[in-house]
Amino acid sequence: SQQGEEDPQALSIQEGENATMNCSYKTSINNLQWYRQNSGRGLVHLILIRSNEREKHSGRLRVTLDTSKKSSSLLITASRAADTASYFCATLLTGANSKLTFGKGITLSVRP
Amino acid sequence: KAGVTQTPRYLIKTRGQQVTLSCSPISGHRSVSWYQQTPGQGLQFLFEYFSETQRNKGNFPGRFSGRQFSNSRSEMNVSTLELGDSALYLCASSPTGGSSGANVLTFGAGSRLTVL
Repeated sequence: SQQGEEDPQALSIQEGENATMNCSYKTSINNLQWYRQNSGRGLVHLILIRSNEREKHSGRLRVTLDTSKKSSSLLITASRAADTASYFCATLLTGANSKLTFGKGITLSVRP
Repeated sequence: KAGVTQTPRYLIKTRGQQVTLSCSPISGHRSVSWYQQTPGQGLQFLFEYFSETQRNKGNFPGRFSGRQFSNSRSEMNVSTLELGDSALYLCASSPTGGSSGANVLTFGAGSRLTVL
């Protein structure tokens, strides 16, 4: 089973609206990361939040982390057509030599 | 600086054949991880190499293997190909990988394997 699971699986919004994507995970983490993937290409790192942090910002991105609920959310404000992509959360578990585990992703479509 | 380079970008094989994929990490990065991406399973971790040693391994059969060279370049090999091996194979590098540091991955564009 996946360590991280994103919700919803697909999201369609109008340009200029905000997009909120959620991620839940099962076990204790070292950090949680969000990545973006344009169709058929490699993933691009967006933002990392450590287990002792609650919120981080990067440009139009805002990430929150609630370790008590084992969940995170990614907010993209004032979305653009260029934000159309798949978004993945990835968790790094605690413990030596842990690997980064990805969810199945959220497909975001931003309509012009 | 140059990104992560994967070759070949596309390849078609038939069942029973074997395939070798190559990955050149970002200069100075010593950790290389491989992932298999399929529509149904998402990204599945294959293995991670650090300083020529396999440091972590996912739940894939022994047909999937890899190695890392002294210059940190990595190859993965899939023997006796099956139809289900059709996927996008992604390589990612990081300075140290593992649980040390931030372990942020830089991905290559992937190698798209089609097995007929």
